[in-house]
Amino acid sequence: ETGVTQTPRHLVMGMTNKKSLKCEQHLGHNAMYWYKQSAKKPLELMFVYNFKEQTENNSVPSRFSPECPNSSHLFLHLHTLQPEDSALYLCASSQSGETLETQYFGPGTRLLVL
Amino acid sequence: TQLLEQSPQFLSIQEGENLTVYCNSSSVFSSLQWYRQEPGEGPVLLVTVVTGGEVKKLKRLTFQFGDARKDSSLHITAAQPGDTGLYLCAGAGNQFYFGTGTSLTVIP
Repeated sequence: ETGVTQTPRHLVMGMTNKKSLKCEQHLGHNAMYWYKQSAKKPLELMFVYNFKEQTENNSVPSRFSPECPNSSHLFLHLHTLQPEDSALYLCASSQSGETLETQYFGPGTRLLVL
Repeated sequence: TQLLEQSPQFLSIQEGENLTVYCNSSSVFSSLQWYRQEPGEGPVLLVTVVTGGEVKKLKRLTFQFGDARKDSSLHITAAQPGDTGLYLCAGAGNQFYFGTGTSLTVIP
C-alpha cells in the first residue's frame, strides 16, 4: 500500500465509449502524474500536475484529457480511444514535482480497448 | 528523448544464485533511480544514486552508478523468490526517463 489508489483496476471499453480513470493520493503531496506502460516499451510520462496546474504534456493525443480538481485527485478522461491505447495506466504522486523526489505509484488501471 | 536500455530483458534463475542487471545510456543523468514492480502493482522505488561512481547497498542488493553518470548496475546476491519482479531504472533529465525493464524470475 503506497498511499496512492486507482480505480477501476481493470477496464474494457469500445472505441466509441467515454470513460474516466481516477487516482487519489493520501500522502499530502502536491504533484501528480499519469504514465502509460505498454508491453516491451519504457514507461511513458503523459501528464504532470503541480499544485493543480498542468506543467507537462508529453505530446499526448487529445483523446486523453486529464483533470486535476485538487492536489489529492487526478482524473484521466478517455474518449474515442484506439486499440493501441490498450496498456497499464499508472498514476503517481510526489511532494512537489522535483526530479530527485521519490514518486509513489498506484497499482494502475489495466485498460483494454476493443 | 533520452533512451535507457536495460539488459537482459528477461532473466530466470534458481534461488541462491547471484545476478547483475544493467542500465545503459548515451546520455548523462543528474541522478538515477531503480524501481521494482510486482505483478498487478505499480513500481516501488528501491534506491536513488546521485554521484558518479556511487555504490549503495540495500540488504542483498548492490547498486552502482557509473563514473560518467550514463549507466548503472544492480547486483543481487543469493536471489530469493521474493526478488521476482520487473526491475526498472529511471534517469533524471528534465523529467524522469524510464528504461525498458528487466523481468526477473527466481525459481524456488
